[in-house]
Amino acid sequence: GNSVTQMEGPVTLSEEAFLTINCTYTATGYPSLFWYVQYPGEGLQLLLKATKADDKGSNKGFEATYRKETTSFHLEKGSVQVSDSAVYFCALSNGGDYKLSFGAGTTVTVRA
Amino acid sequence: SQTIHQWPATLVQPVGSPLSLECTVEGTSNPNLYWYRQAAGRGLQLLFYSVGIGQISSEVPQNLSASRPQDRQFILSSKKLLLSDSGFYLCAWSVSPPTDTQYFGPGTRLTVL
Repeated sequence: GNSVTQMEGPVTLSEEAFLTINCTYTATGYPSLFWYVQYPGEGLQLLLKATKADDKGSNKGFEATYRKETTSFHLEKGSVQVSDSAVYFCALSNGGDYKLSFGAGTTVTVRA
Repeated sequence: SQTIHQWPATLVQPVGSPLSLECTVEGTSNPNLYWYRQAAGRGLQLLFYSVGIGQISSEVPQNLSASRPQDRQFILSSKKLLLSDSGFYLCAWSVSPPTDTQYFGPGTRLTVL
């Protein structure tokens, strides 16, 4: 079956630090991969996605590259801000019904 | 534009009491609808999804049920809540036929005491 494993948190960083959140997946075929973000008190928002191998998704300074050879989709940002404090979820969809399988989430706190 | 609403935003219920959470979507027709639960310290788990009125698929056996009485209304229910039902419940929608993007509501935080 499909599964997503992501780096456990919590992660605490200073402003302007480099952020990496690791995500690996297990799936047959060619899943689509996603990063969702959940800001405090809110629902999930799609941050970025990639639908095929070697695609790079990017948004708001965040990037992630679909690596089929390592079954990974690591999230990176070069210089984080306090407003990036949130819970980040890696997810995949694989199949015609497009149901999502999520990782456990990584809580990121950025301090000024 | 499309919007998705959930209510209530927070709920505290005693064990054994009934539950009804509501989700509505505006600005689209015949969406696919989803209920997820986020338990403390865990990721999101898909509970139910629906491709149309009265069509519900359950992903995991549990104490909960779902109904879709109208095209853009999705309800999550329980007759008797358990402590383990506590969590953050999220409704989501996607266009139909579904694409790989789902749009999430603000969520309902349920505490069962």
